Amino acid sequence: DAGITQSPRHKVTETGTPVTLRCHQTENHRYMYWYRQDPGHGLRLIHYSYGVKDTDKGEVSDGYSVSRSKTEDFLLTLESATSSQTSVYFCAIRPAQQGTMDTIYFGEGSWLTVV
Amino acid sequence: QQPVQSPQAVILREGEDAVINCSSSKALYSVHWYRQKHGEAPVFLMILLKGGEQKGHEKISASFNEKKQQSSLYLTASQLSYSGTYFCGTEWGSGTYKYIFGTGTRLKVLA
Repeated sequence: DAGITQSPRHKVTETGTPVTLRCHQTENHRYMYWYRQDPGHGLRLIHYSYGVKDTDKGEVSDGYSVSRSKTEDFLLTLESATSSQTSVYFCAIRPAQQGTMDTIYFGEGSWLTVV
Repeated sequence: QQPVQSPQAVILREGEDAVINCSSSKALYSVHWYRQKHGEAPVFLMILLKGGEQKGHEKISASFNEKKQQSSLYLTASQLSYSGTYFCGTEWGSGTYKYIFGTGTRLKVLA
């Protein structure tokens, strides 16, 4: 258990409304990530963070913003949700320790439907 | 861009072998492999840290060829529990924090 909690786990929202997904970790890891997963596209990186207030864009960042004001929380915001943002969103952390511990651990996922 | 995996999908009978490949357009410094069951988050299988290194996990092993910028996952004597989608993952660029995944391979093992 990597101590990652995503909320909400399931959400249905209307087109044009803002939505915020929260990722909370209990282990004080520095690196945090948001991915989306869609059929036929695998896992695609939206945004990532390498410290408090240090974030950067991934491959599919358009329409998304993030914030990290505390080590333990990484928020993903859909500014104005569109149907193309219907997806499963995974938060992940990376301990970034040397050797075999340097891997990714995922939260349980957030299923978002935009109608 | 992301690492490309092949094949995209494969169906096996129990006991058969499979190989999943992961090819990158950028230099790879380490490669990680994950398996995802339907409706669940991906789970880490193994990490390969050095070029040419081969590691094993029960009947699942992997190799990593730095020069060719490729990694392969070998599943031998497959079991029903091996079904799922397999992803390779890697740090995209040396010294970056950006971590991305390959395109994925769906594996189904039939009884």
